[in-house]
Amino acid sequence: EIVLTQSPATLSLSPGERATLSCRASQSVSTYLAWYQQKPGQAPRLLISDVSNRATGIPARFSGSGSGTDFTLVITSLEPEDSAMYYCQQRSSWPSFGGGSKVEI
Amino acid sequence: QVHLVESGGGVVQPGGSLRLSCVASGFAFSDYAMHWVRQSPGRGLEWLTHIRNDGTNQWYADSVLGRFTISRDNSKNTMDLQMDSLRPEDTGVYYCVKPVAASGIRSYFDSWGLGTQVTVSS
Repeated sequence: EIVLTQSPATLSLSPGERATLSCRASQSVSTYLAWYQQKPGQAPRLLISDVSNRATGIPARFSGSGSGTDFTLVITSLEPEDSAMYYCQQRSSWPSFGGGSKVEI
Repeated sequence: QVHLVESGGGVVQPGGSLRLSCVASGFAFSDYAMHWVRQSPGRGLEWLTHIRNDGTNQWYADSVLGRFTISRDNSKNTMDLQMDSLRPEDTGVYYCVKPVAASGIRSYFDSWGLGTQVTVSS
């Protein structure tokens, strides 16, 4: 099983600032990594697939990078509606998810 | 527009059983493999099981292997999860999820239901 470790656990920022979230895999997942956003009471929503491909309707302020074992989700110019949990997920092997990072604005 | 609606959750005693259902609409259900994903405070988001589009192959996470059974009825656009020998650690919200790609177990998930809560407690 591939374990994904996310950091930081919580990030508190102001509107307009930049958020940088990390996801580290226990072994290489190549570029088979996605990011999801989850707001309270809602299901996760796919933001980015294959490291850097934004899903339909996702604003350009969300961007992803990385390969192998280290990945980053960057949210530039934070907006209040970006307050949420963010999860990474790999599909290099059977799917697994990271523990999540909470972004507070 | 893809729509997934889960039902069947509830409170059950340890060792008991529960059957979850998912009704799908808005896409060619019979063309897609489908999955169940669970979310719990203790285990986070956890992929549980996958069923091939024609129902001929199923795969399970070790945590539920031998206790849970996934099935589907393409004539009704439905998918079920039969959960037996339930344990307290099975408590969580169960999501029916549609993968981005139609086939394969190694998927991302672009559509999720609202989830159904399962609580295993005496």
